[in-house]
Amino acid sequence: GDSVTQMEGPVTLSEEAFLTINCTYTATGYPSLFWYVQYPGEGLQLLLKATKADDKGSNKGFEATYRKETTSFHLEKGSVQVSDSAVYFCALSGIGANNLFFGTGTRLTVIP
Amino acid sequence: KAGVTQTPRYLIKTRGQQVTLSCSPISGHRSVSWYQQTPGQGLQFLFEYFSETQRNKGNFPGRFSGRQFSNSRSEMNVSTLELGDSALYLCASSEDRFFATQYFGPGTRLTVL
Repeated sequence: GDSVTQMEGPVTLSEEAFLTINCTYTATGYPSLFWYVQYPGEGLQLLLKATKADDKGSNKGFEATYRKETTSFHLEKGSVQVSDSAVYFCALSGIGANNLFFGTGTRLTVIP
Repeated sequence: KAGVTQTPRYLIKTRGQQVTLSCSPISGHRSVSWYQQTPGQGLQFLFEYFSETQRNKGNFPGRFSGRQFSNSRSEMNVSTLELGDSALYLCASSEDRFFATQYFGPGTRLTVL
């Protein structure tokens, strides 16, 4: 079945460091891929998405590229800020499906 | 547009009781999905409703049920609560089209004592 494997955390970085959170997936067909972020005490917010191979999603300095050949969707940011501290979830959904399969989440803490 | 709203935000119940959670989707969204988030199991899909019909279902026991009203608002019900049902229950709404994004509400934190 469909599944997402996400880099285990927690991850602690200094402000302005480079961030990579790895995400790989297993799916039939051509899923859509997402990164969601969850701040303390809140629900999930969509960070970025990609719907087909080689698409690059980007938002707020975060980027991820849909790599079909490696079944990956790694999240990157060139310079993290303290305000980026949150839990990040990689997710996928099948075509026409409205159920998301989530990774386990990666907690990021950015220290000044 | 207003976002997805969920009520109540917090609930405390005891084992054996039942509970009903409510979700109001973004205006114009007709698909509503529910998820359970726990530290041990992570985020898991419960079910999806569209046009008052359950369209998709996750792997949860029959104690978990839901419904959707003609205005797309949705409720989920958990009967005979167990300690393991303590979780954050998240509702998400989306348009009904390919590659639609799901937008999440803030969640209802259920604690079962």
